[in-house]
Amino acid sequence: EAQVTQNPRYLITVTGKKLTVTCSQNMNHEYMSWYRQDPGLGLRQIYYSMNVEVTDKGDVPEGYKVSRKEKRNFPLILESPSPNQTSLYFCASSRILATDLHYGYTFGSGTRLTVV
Amino acid sequence: QKEVEQDPGPLSVPEGAIVSLNCTYSNSAFQYFMWYRQYSRKGPELLMYTYSSGNKEDGRFTAQVDKSSKYISLFIRDSQPSDSATYLCARGYDYKLSFGAGTTVTVRA
Repeated sequence: EAQVTQNPRYLITVTGKKLTVTCSQNMNHEYMSWYRQDPGLGLRQIYYSMNVEVTDKGDVPEGYKVSRKEKRNFPLILESPSPNQTSLYFCASSRILATDLHYGYTFGSGTRLTVV
Repeated sequence: QKEVEQDPGPLSVPEGAIVSLNCTYSNSAFQYFMWYRQYSRKGPELLMYTYSSGNKEDGRFTAQVDKSSKYISLFIRDSQPSDSATYLCARGYDYKLSFGAGTTVTVRA
C-alpha cells in the first residue's frame, strides 16, 4: 500500500529535550515536506526537500531541523523543543512533474506533539 | 495578508443538501489549486486538483476556479454523513503549496 508513515503518533516531552519525528514514504517520491497544523492557522510548511541532500526552509522553520540522506526518509528534528512547538505535525510527499507542477501530496497520519 | 483565505465555518447541512465551500487567494502568478478532505485524527487526502479556470467534476464533487476574481470553490452534491470532515483549499505555485485554514462541515442524517 502506498503510504507515508510517521512515528510516533503521539508524543509528550519536556522543554529542551531533543526529539526526532520520523517520516518514511514508499512511493519513490522526490518531494517531501513537513507541516504543522494549528487551530485557526491551518497547515504551515516547516521545511521541504526536493530530493536527496536538497532541503529548504518553509514558512515557519525556526526551531526545527531536517535531513534527507535517503529518498524515502525525511526526519524532523527538534533540538530544544519549547511549548510553542506543541502542535499537530504532518509529513507529506509528492511526485514532481517536469513542468514545475506539484502533483498533490500524500500525507501521513500525523504526530501530535505536546511540549510541557 | 494570507495567501489563501478560507471561511473556517463550521458549516452544518442536512443530508442530501449541496455543500458550497469557498476560498480566495491573493497572488496572480501561474498557479494550481487543490482541495483536500481531512477526517478527524487523520491526515488530509487529496480530493480535487485543477490548474485552469472553469469547472472540474469528479462524481459528486465539483471544483471551480475563477481567476479573474481569485476565487476557488468546491461543491458537494447530494451530501452524505460520510462527507462530514474539514475541507482545506490549497494554492500551489512552483513547488510550494499554501493552505487555507479549513472549513469544518457536518452533514446531518
